[in-house]
Amino acid sequence: QKEVEQDPGPLSVPEGAIVSLNCTYSNSAFQYFMWYRQYSRKGPELLMYTYSSGNKEDGRFTAQVDKSSKYISLFIRDSQPSDSATYLCAMSDNNAGNMLTFGGGTRLMVKP
Amino acid sequence: DVKVTQSSRYLVKRTGEKVFLECVQDMDHENMFWYRQDPGLGLRLIYFSYDVKMKEKGDIPEGYSVSREKKERFSLILESASTNQTSMYLCASSLRRNLNQPQHFGDGTRLSIL
Repeated sequence: QKEVEQDPGPLSVPEGAIVSLNCTYSNSAFQYFMWYRQYSRKGPELLMYTYSSGNKEDGRFTAQVDKSSKYISLFIRDSQPSDSATYLCAMSDNNAGNMLTFGGGTRLMVKP
Repeated sequence: DVKVTQSSRYLVKRTGEKVFLECVQDMDHENMFWYRQDPGLGLRLIYFSYDVKMKEKGDIPEGYSVSREKKERFSLILESASTNQTSMYLCASSLRRNLNQPQHFGDGTRLSIL
């Protein structure tokens, strides 16, 4: 079993929909959680960075962490075709020396 | 904004060649990382470095080496390229080892070994 599980998709939604992307993990020591967006043939771009449990909002994006369930989510409101990309979750613990454990990524397609 | 620059976007080399992939960051980051990304396998860590002249093996170091002579530059070396090293190579950097800050990535080098 992988340490971080992420549905590979593809997830196809119509423009304007609310998108929910999720990761589950098994290591209860993870405390730092990140979401990256990766367009085709480009490097991952940091979208959201959160520490411990709770919500963080940035524009149309909301990151949610539920440590009790070992479950993190990224919500995208009013999705746009430009949001079409692969979304990677990543996480680390206090003792990891800044090492990240990545999910495999979910491919999202937003159709006009 | 953090800028991580990889010297080549696309590279084609022949089996047995020695290949150098270069990465430069402009934010005085101490940590630098090399990954490869393959469909179905995700991101896999090859090597990383916490300081100049320092290097640590990641999960898949076989067939690779690295060099960090200056803080801003981290080079990945394929000693004798093989076809199974055809992949997307990503460089990343982050601030300091004991500070849990996210990694910032370059745009990658798509390497083909013929």
